[in-house]
Amino acid sequence: EAGVAQSPRYKIIEKRQSVAFWCNPISGHATLYWYQQILGQGPKLLIQFQNNGVVDDSQLPKDRFSAERLKGVDSTLKIQPAKLEDSAVYLCASSLDRGNTEAFFGQGTRLTVV
Amino acid sequence: GESVGLHLPTLSVQEGDNSIINCAYSNSASDYFIWYKQESGKGPQFIIDIRSNMDKRQGQRVTVLLNKTVKHLSLQIAATQPGDSAVYFCAETHQGGKLIFGQGTELSVKP
Repeated sequence: EAGVAQSPRYKIIEKRQSVAFWCNPISGHATLYWYQQILGQGPKLLIQFQNNGVVDDSQLPKDRFSAERLKGVDSTLKIQPAKLEDSAVYLCASSLDRGNTEAFFGQGTRLTVV
Repeated sequence: GESVGLHLPTLSVQEGDNSIINCAYSNSASDYFIWYKQESGKGPQFIIDIRSNMDKRQGQRVTVLLNKTVKHLSLQIAATQPGDSAVYFCAETHQGGKLIFGQGTELSVKP
């Protein structure tokens, strides 16, 4: 079974530029998460999708971050404009359904904002 | 507010010894508590979970204990191996909602 795919693996941008991350979850998984993990900290949930609907985006900085999962499969997370404090690893995860405690994570995208 | 935290940031054990990683939580309404393992350069990987109405659950070489009285969760790893070296996070979830992670404990296994 293929795992969660994320791209790019690494990205370096200047502050105020925009960036987009892509995630392809495990086939058949209804729930998709985007997390931000700052070095030395635990993952922080940005947004949770159930199929193509948003379940929770309470911690998503909506003035600069946006995410979509239009067809209920792939998802993109965008930052515009980026700030220095956005430097982190952005992790995508999927689970079979809401309430499943086993989420499968991708390797993440390491973003450096300079 | 909701939070899940860990007592110790680092833990060093000898290969073959048992490891105990601790976690404190604050949300009494959580349905499940989960342990994840994160190796360097990888995403977190599910280890084991425990439902809030249970006290103990065992897996392969791992045991999770839940003490709701003091809001404490622990992960015990038996016969720790070098491959167990990683950062361990406790997490909690409530009614199928968001998965909240703690700060992590780095486990280092000495050969």
